[in-house]
Amino acid sequence: EADIYQTPRYLVIGTGKKITLECSQTMGHDKMYWYQQDPGMELHLIHYSYGVNSTEKGDLSSESTVSRIRTEHFPLTLESARPSHTSQYLCASSEFGTSSYEQYFGPGTRLTVT
Amino acid sequence: QKEVEQDPGPLSVPEGAIVSLNCTYSNSAFQYFMWYRQYSRKGPELLMYTYSSGNKEDGRFTAQVDKSSKYISLFIRDSQPSDSATYLCAMIPNMGGFKTIFGAGTRLFVKA
Repeated sequence: EADIYQTPRYLVIGTGKKITLECSQTMGHDKMYWYQQDPGMELHLIHYSYGVNSTEKGDLSSESTVSRIRTEHFPLTLESARPSHTSQYLCASSEFGTSSYEQYFGPGTRLTVT
Repeated sequence: QKEVEQDPGPLSVPEGAIVSLNCTYSNSAFQYFMWYRQYSRKGPELLMYTYSSGNKEDGRFTAQVDKSSKYISLFIRDSQPSDSATYLCAMIPNMGGFKTIFGAGTRLFVKA
């Protein structure tokens, strides 16, 4: 089983609240990713990182921000949650080099904004 | 037009059946083709990976890539109830690329 963890697993929160979704991996992977997954839809890349102090926005327009201060930790923050942020958020990591096609996913955080 | 098209199903088959899951894509630059399996309330996990065209077999699973038709398939032989999951195809143009394009996933139910 992949050593990548996400907390919380489920979160119900009111509109306007600030939230941080945690993601940690113990594999020493340099690349990390945040995806949004809605039922019947493709995974959409919202943020990624190549390593410490590297963060980039993905394809999906997002009001969230990320940070990468430590290799193992890649938290995602929503400054002001809205009902449109309701979704499943998946964190993933991968190596650089010849095995970088394989991404290891966490179990996800199911976020509901009321 | 989506870069990757995948029938969402659901696909329901009896135990022991041969299952065929498919994706089509539009970007001829894709070189690496993956199949991920996602159980309910879990993250996806890599099932198989294929480079360029051809077949790859791993136990009951066979992955096929036809780059001329821009079509990839995953076959599951002797399907089991434990194979019930969502199967996502995924592809990238090269190993150094960061952006993996995922299909929407096909939900598979294998009935005992």
